Amino acid sequence: AQTVTQSQPEMSVQEAETVTLSCTYDTSESDYYLFWYKQPPSRQMILVIRQEAYKQQNATENRFSVNFQKAAKSFSLKISDSQLGDAAMYFCAYNNNAGNMLTFGGGTRLMVKP
Amino acid sequence: GAVVSQHPSRVICKSGTSVKIECRSLDFQATTMFWYRQFPKQSLMLMATSNEGSKATYEQGVEKDKFLINHASLTLSTLTVTSAHPEDSSFYICSARDGFRLAEAFFGQGTRLTVV
Repeated sequence: AQTVTQSQPEMSVQEAETVTLSCTYDTSESDYYLFWYKQPPSRQMILVIRQEAYKQQNATENRFSVNFQKAAKSFSLKISDSQLGDAAMYFCAYNNNAGNMLTFGGGTRLMVKP
Repeated sequence: GAVVSQHPSRVICKSGTSVKIECRSLDFQATTMFWYRQFPKQSLMLMATSNEGSKATYEQGVEKDKFLINHASLTLSTLTVTSAHPEDSSFYICSARDGFRLAEAFFGQGTRLTVV
């Protein structure tokens, strides 16, 4: 079974600074997808970024980028120029290529200090 | 595109009553829908997977007779919490998968259920 681990329950960053959230996963599959979701106080799940395992290039979305290390099964999220609106719970998630459910990590609460 | 609407967003009910939560895919056909439960400050816990026209598959430890799931059409799945008790109070979230974009899951806004 796949597992996703986020080792940082809470992280704090100063506004305009950069922060990296960690995620590791375990799978025996070779083709899969990885995601970072943001859950603000409204609790709406918002897709931040996704990475296809077959792609070597790290995904980027504006201020958000990932460091995908397939051999190490690591998938960290870097948020640059942090903004107050980035404060939220962040969940790392895994999905195989067969349309099954997402497997979530335990989440990291990000606080942004003004 | 890919909007999932979940209703109601909040509901308060009395112990012993039943509550129905709807999850609709507004602009795509959802071949599969997932129901999650989330306790405060915790991650999402998968309760069940429903496929249109077939019985839902429940995760271990989830009572299928208490949490009735119906996926009667390609755009609608419902979760009914039967004979609700205070311990059923939680945040419930649905997600829907487009048959053509298997890797993506789109989430509803969630429902906060309070049983008094």
